[in-house]
Amino acid sequence: QSVVTQPPSASGTPGQRVTISCSGSSSNIGSNYVYWYQQVPGTAPKLLIFLNHQRPSGVPDRFSGSKSGTSASLAISGLRAEDEADYYCVVWDDSLNIVVFGGGTKVTVL
Amino acid sequence: QVQLVQSGSELRKPGASVRVSCKSSGYIFADFALNWVRQAPGQGPEWVGWINTNSGKPTYAQAFTGRFVFSLDKSASTAYLQIDSLKAEDAAIYYCARVRGGNPGYFDSWGQGTLVAVSA
Repeated sequence: QSVVTQPPSASGTPGQRVTISCSGSSSNIGSNYVYWYQQVPGTAPKLLIFLNHQRPSGVPDRFSGSKSGTSASLAISGLRAEDEADYYCVVWDDSLNIVVFGGGTKVTVL
Repeated sequence: QVQLVQSGSELRKPGASVRVSCKSSGYIFADFALNWVRQAPGQGPEWVGWINTNSGKPTYAQAFTGRFVFSLDKSASTAYLQIDSLKAEDAAIYYCARVRGGNPGYFDSWGQGTLVAVSA
């Protein structure tokens, strides 16, 4: 059981907007940067969002990140078939002194 | 371009040791710390720890102290993860990942992963 909580699944039809939440506490999300990773089964995770809301070059602007208090979220707009993957929020925890991965959210494109 | 290339799959018996390598290229090795991440079958990733590629100092998550050892060969721009006294629950894919800007969790480049299987 991770100290940051994500819904296990989310889904949408092509073109829709999907939002994934990541809920933590003052010792992690409340005081540190949040990162988001996309993992297609059988491949390594890929950085999607860094420093709460920044996108690496090459990541479409359909992906956006935000943070407020002890929660963060990842939004995928204009959902596409290739967005079907697992998504993880990642953050440092000051109390545990570890990098924490959320439990992951499986996004299904209907 | 930045590349992290890991060694191939390994099969070991319980109690044995295994060493996984992660060879870096396309950047100055000592400028970026390297982290290790474990992903058990069907599970999410779990942070094992990191190694300072300048000083060689390792830092382990509490759950991974004792049997997990990080090391470097700076001349070969290569990091290693050794796991001793393997247990069945160590079976997983192990990834190395480069940390950008000294920000924990900011993994901007990953190795392809190394599958470690543990079976009698």
